[in-house]
Amino acid sequence: QVTLKESGPGILQPSQTLSLTCTFSGFSLSTYGMGVGWIRQPSGKGLEWLANIWWDDDKYYNPSLKNRLTISKDTSNNQAFLKITNVDTADTATYYCARMGYGYNFFDYWGQGVMVTVSS
Amino acid sequence: DIRMTQSPASLSASLGETVNIECLASEDIYSDLAWYQQKPGKSPQLLIYNANSLQNGVPSRFSGSGSGTQYSLKINSLQSEDVATYFCQQYNNYPPYTFGAGTKLELK
Repeated sequence: QVTLKESGPGILQPSQTLSLTCTFSGFSLSTYGMGVGWIRQPSGKGLEWLANIWWDDDKYYNPSLKNRLTISKDTSNNQAFLKITNVDTADTATYYCARMGYGYNFFDYWGQGVMVTVSS
Repeated sequence: DIRMTQSPASLSASLGETVNIECLASEDIYSDLAWYQQKPGKSPQLLIYNANSLQNGVPSRFSGSGSGTQYSLKINSLQSEDVATYFCQQYNNYPPYTFGAGTKLELK
């Protein structure tokens, strides 16, 4: 059974760094073809892909945010991480992590999401 | 970036009706398209991948079709549990992966 769960600070101030953790089970990021992606959704709005990381440590970033994003993984603890630097109110959203299985570039299992508010 | 244009933005239908949602890509995406369902207050769930392959566990009343730049999601015999927002996603040309803006489906 594949599960993913996001965790984060809840609220932070503009210019701070947002650190998110995705803890998952039912698969391993050391297995060929596996990947984890991060997607966010402002309240009442659409989905925006941010970044993803593959089993071989290959990484992809959304060019519109690339300079602010860092994705990483801890294979032994079944976790993936995303950092977003210099946050602004526009970064207020629900952040999801999702599995990308078997080399596929879509998201077959999603976490429940974590709400992040940027406010002074 | 590939733009994904979904239509309609919202839709009201009756129980038992057939519903169609369209997704138009700004360039050919060679059937590299997924559909997701997001129920209120929940995370998105994968329905269809590769334009027409049904994800395991998804009811057979959902189907996908299309090619090139034009794709559609069809829901046969609409059920109350199908009330949700539906998103398409292209994965042919990335980064970035891009999503449509969503179609909100309500019961009439």
